[in-house]
Amino acid sequence: KQEVTQIPAALSVPEGENLVLNCSFTDSAIYNLQWFRQDPGKGLTSLLLIQSSQREQTSGRLNASLDKSSGRSTLYIAASQPGDSATYLCAASTISSGSARQLTFGSGTQLTVLP
Amino acid sequence: SAVISQKPSRDICQRGTSLTIQCQVDSQVTMMFWYRQQPGQSLTLIATANQGSEATYESGFVIDKFPISRPNLTFSTLTVSNMSPEDSSIYLCSVGQGALRYTFGSGTRLTVV
Repeated sequence: KQEVTQIPAALSVPEGENLVLNCSFTDSAIYNLQWFRQDPGKGLTSLLLIQSSQREQTSGRLNASLDKSSGRSTLYIAASQPGDSATYLCAASTISSGSARQLTFGSGTQLTVLP
Repeated sequence: SAVISQKPSRDICQRGTSLTIQCQVDSQVTMMFWYRQQPGQSLTLIATANQGSEATYESGFVIDKFPISRPNLTFSTLTVSNMSPEDSSIYLCSVGQGALRYTFGSGTRLTVV
C-alpha cells in the first residue's frame, strides 16, 4: 500500500526566501506525482504534475522534481511571497486494489511566508 | 482542465440527519472520486464513482453511510447519512483526466452539531 510522507509539517519563512518542500513515497510504481495547494477551508488547486517518465516540471516560481528510484519529490518555491502561504500537498497516483488509478496524499506542509 | 462545481460550499447540520453533496463537471469524465478531509488531516479517498454501476468503496467506508450516485458522465452526488459530529469534515469531489491530472471541486465544509 502506497504511503506518502511530507516534511516538514510546517514551515515559516521571511518574504523573498527560496524554499524546498519534501515529499517521499514508498511504492515507486507510480504513474505520476502531483503537487497541490490548499488554502484554509478550501478545495485543492493543482500546481504541477510530473509524469513518471519525467524528472521535473516548472511553472513560474515553482519547480517540482521527481526521483522515482529513491521515492522522492521536491517542490521548490523561488522568491517566496506572503500570497504563497497555504498548505502544500503532494499526491502519488498508483493503481488501487479496484484497478482504478487513485491518488494517495501526504499530510501536507503548512507554509507561512512573513511580510 | 475540467471545471467542477460543487454544492453546497458549507453546511451546518443536526446529528442524525443526512446531507447530499453535488458535483457537476463541465465535460464528460470517466472517473469521479470522493474524498474526506477531517480537521487537521490530509485527504482520504472514500470511493470511486462509476457511471452505470455501483461505486467502489475504500476500506472503512460503506455504502449505507456514504451512498453515491453517478447518473451520467458529468454529475455525481455523495450523501452523508445519519450524521454524527465525527462526520464534520471537508468533502471533496475529484475527476481524473488526460495524463491523469486530477482536478478538485472547491469542497463542502460540513459541521455536524
